[in-house]
Amino acid sequence: AQSVTQLGSHVSVSEGALVLLRCNYSSSVPPYLFWYVQYPNQGLQLLLKYTSAATLVKGINGFEAEFKKSETSFHLTKPSAHMSDAAEYFCAVSSGSARQLTFGSGTQLTVLP
Amino acid sequence: GAGVSQSPSNKVTEKGKDVELRCDPISGHTALYWYRQSLGQGLEFLIYFQGNSAPDKSGLPSDRFSAERTGGSVSTLTIQRTQQEDSAVYLCASSVAGADTQYFGPGTRLTVL
Repeated sequence: AQSVTQLGSHVSVSEGALVLLRCNYSSSVPPYLFWYVQYPNQGLQLLLKYTSAATLVKGINGFEAEFKKSETSFHLTKPSAHMSDAAEYFCAVSSGSARQLTFGSGTQLTVLP
Repeated sequence: GAGVSQSPSNKVTEKGKDVELRCDPISGHTALYWYRQSLGQGLEFLIYFQGNSAPDKSGLPSDRFSAERTGGSVSTLTIQRTQQEDSAVYLCASSVAGADTQYFGPGTRLTVL
């Protein structure tokens, strides 16, 4: 069975600082991995995805993530945080014939002025 | 184009009542998913449709939950005899068959009093 672990339920960074949100996965097969963002009272918006092509994946809003098989990690980064990045971020792995998503518990990102 | 839409956006009901939640997927998307987001359980997969059939109902939490999809488009999630623990945000997502990316609707917030 697939699983996802997000380290840190809350992360605070200063505006302009590096954002690093951690995600580790467990998968018996090569995984498809995703990062989604959720703003208050909204649905989930796809930031980026890894589907066995390039290990460094670039997404929207300046975010990127690197797939590291040896570390079973897919951490999300952004060089310089903006106030508008404040939201909850979810890492997910796709599994099963239905390709349903298994989500991590989420990380709430706060950006301090 | 139009995204995934869900209705109602908010639903307040009394314990023991039945509720119906509706999802309109993106036109042309044959795969449809229901997820539940609650404080205690995070984001959980409920059910998946490919066309009008639901080959995977493994995520439905009890026999009070059912879902159908007609015409390969609109889906309805029905919860019978609602309980307080059913209070959550119910999210719908759709994707092109065989594709990896799921697009989410804004969700229905269900409150059971």
